Amino acid sequence: AQKITQTQPGMFVQEKEAVTLDCTYDTSDPSYGLFWYKQPSSGEMIFLIYQGSYDQQNATEGRYSLNFQKARKSANLVISASQLGDSAMYFCAMKGDNFNKFYFGSGTKLNVKP
Amino acid sequence: NAGVTQTPKFRILKIGQSMTLQCAQDMNHNYMYWYRQDPGMGLKLIYYSVGAGITDKGEVPNGYNVSRSTTEDFPLRLELAAPSQTSVYFCASSYREGRSEKLFFGSGTQLSVL
Repeated sequence: AQKITQTQPGMFVQEKEAVTLDCTYDTSDPSYGLFWYKQPSSGEMIFLIYQGSYDQQNATEGRYSLNFQKARKSANLVISASQLGDSAMYFCAMKGDNFNKFYFGSGTKLNVKP
Repeated sequence: NAGVTQTPKFRILKIGQSMTLQCAQDMNHNYMYWYRQDPGMGLKLIYYSVGAGITDKGEVPNGYNVSRSTTEDFPLRLELAAPSQTSVYFCASSYREGRSEKLFFGSGTQLSVL
């Protein structure tokens, strides 16, 4: 079974502070990839960061980093120095290497306060 | 580089009508997907394709059909539209480079069935 869980429907963070968005997953595939996407109010899906299950180091992309804890099956997104433009929905997704499907979590709505 | 192109962007259907959502990608990706996103929710996979001539069901295929006659095009057909099909529809394509994978989304089609 493949499952992605995001337990935070909504989050608030003060501008310039860091925030962590939680994501846990379950998969029967020994090799898989984890993804985070941002969906602003305009609706498009913007790729943020990718982590492979065999990657030894946590992925980073600018202000985004992925806190990957394989034993705990978690792939939390950390946004440093939050900006007002970070206000959006954030989706965690997973794809097993032996499966052809991407599975998405239910999303976390992040609001950055000035 | 157009990426993934979806048409139309908006559509209103009456109950029982049918229509085709068009999706085309110019990146020569083998993998293509159709997702639906209900308000405030995550993405649910409707159908996917691993190459021309090959399609398979996702999580929520009922009421939809797809075809993949070429690598570029992956249209989604709605037969006998129902209010439950009111949603935003995203087409996506993906490629794999080594151990890294990336999913590209179209801009979405907002469909209302009244």
